[in-house]
Amino acid sequence: ETGVTQTPRHLVMGMTNKKSLKCEQHLGHNAMYWYKQSAKKPLELMFVYSLEERVENNSVPSRFSPECPNSSHLFLHLHTLQPEDSALYLCASSRERLQGGSGNTIYFGEGSWLTVV
Amino acid sequence: QKEVEQDPGPLSVPEGAIVSLNCTYSNSAFQYFMWYRQYSRKGPELLMYTYSSGNKEDGRFTAQVDKSSKYISLFIRDSQPSDSATYLCAMLLNTGFQKLVFGTGTRLLVSP
Repeated sequence: ETGVTQTPRHLVMGMTNKKSLKCEQHLGHNAMYWYKQSAKKPLELMFVYSLEERVENNSVPSRFSPECPNSSHLFLHLHTLQPEDSALYLCASSRERLQGGSGNTIYFGEGSWLTVV
Repeated sequence: QKEVEQDPGPLSVPEGAIVSLNCTYSNSAFQYFMWYRQYSRKGPELLMYTYSSGNKEDGRFTAQVDKSSKYISLFIRDSQPSDSATYLCAMLLNTGFQKLVFGTGTRLLVSP
């Protein structure tokens, strides 16, 4: 039990489908993140939310649409994805938005394995 | 040049061996260093967190930072098959809002 729960754990979707990934954190944290992990590549930060406000969007295509209705929940809405979007999508949270000198770090969920066919 | 370099492996060792996992980095302003362990088809879990230079020990794990060489290491003593996983290094600058910079991860295989 990591304190960060992601559903579904596995998802197969066609390129014309619309689906959503869900994340819930039980740690009382105020910042939440979406990362993409592909084989042989470093973790890619996609979005950062701090106190439910999106504070960072790292040039992510619009076919990925995040939503943070409150500080405990984070969604990633998916539509018209491409096969190259197949990857492990990781949700994470931290006490506050990461800032040097704070002794803070992030805690990951188990991830959602996405396959686009 | 990548900000963080990490050999992807796999690194194969027999049970009981001492394992050394390493990362090098290019930005001397990194001050906080972390190691995450990721089992197959699972999310990364925080293993060690160190600040600046020096050593930190936790059970069979020792994290070492050499800022002069821009080099960090994770040592695993008496390695076990359950240590087989991918180990990711990550680091953070000292000031301002920022993101963790990750290495690509080293896959470790410990055989019985």
